[in-house]
Amino acid sequence: TQLLEQSPQFLSIQEGENLTVYCNSSSVFSSLQWYRQEPGEGPVLLVTVVTGGEVKKLKRLTFQFGDARKDSSLHITAAQTGDTGLYLCAGPYFGNEKLTFGTGTRLTIIP
Amino acid sequence: SQTIHQWPATLVQPVGSPLSLECTVEGTSNPNLYWYRQAAGRGLQLLFYSVGIGQISSEVPQNLSASRPQDRQFILSSKKLLLSDSGFYLCAWMRDTGYTEAFFGQGTRLTVV
Repeated sequence: TQLLEQSPQFLSIQEGENLTVYCNSSSVFSSLQWYRQEPGEGPVLLVTVVTGGEVKKLKRLTFQFGDARKDSSLHITAAQTGDTGLYLCAGPYFGNEKLTFGTGTRLTIIP
Repeated sequence: SQTIHQWPATLVQPVGSPLSLECTVEGTSNPNLYWYRQAAGRGLQLLFYSVGIGQISSEVPQNLSASRPQDRQFILSSKKLLLSDSGFYLCAWMRDTGYTEAFFGQGTRLTVV
């Protein structure tokens, strides 16, 4: 069974601080996505990274794909209360078109 | 643009009762459709996926079944619900533009009592 582990599982920080969350696997992805989910709603796609070592920025969010395409990180600069939510990584492993989702990081930004 | 609709939003059902959750997609043809279940605040478990009408693949053995009677319709069913079927159910369609991306419905919160 392929596993996508996210860490930390829970993170609570003050508004204005920086943070990084991680997504790790022992298998290689053909691409990787990050989603954010609000309570009671479906996840919403934030970004897709495709190339090993790729870095993408979405305002205060920076996404990086590992060189070996087995891991990814999400860095948030100057966190805001609107960043609160469940962050999920997901990816199709090579040779498999289905998306496998990570275990999730529950982020809470304290005003 | 593509949209995905899922209903109902919440459902409370007694143990042993049947279940039918419906998902429809607009604005695309022959979509790949998926049903996921999510435990409280955690990651998503893939239940079923479908690449076309009448084509269903099951990921895990369970008390649920799925059907795809029309190109843009995906249904999750059960003949007799168990307490363990409670959870947050999400329908998704996958866009394949060289890499796979998921777009989700609003989800159904199912509570079996």
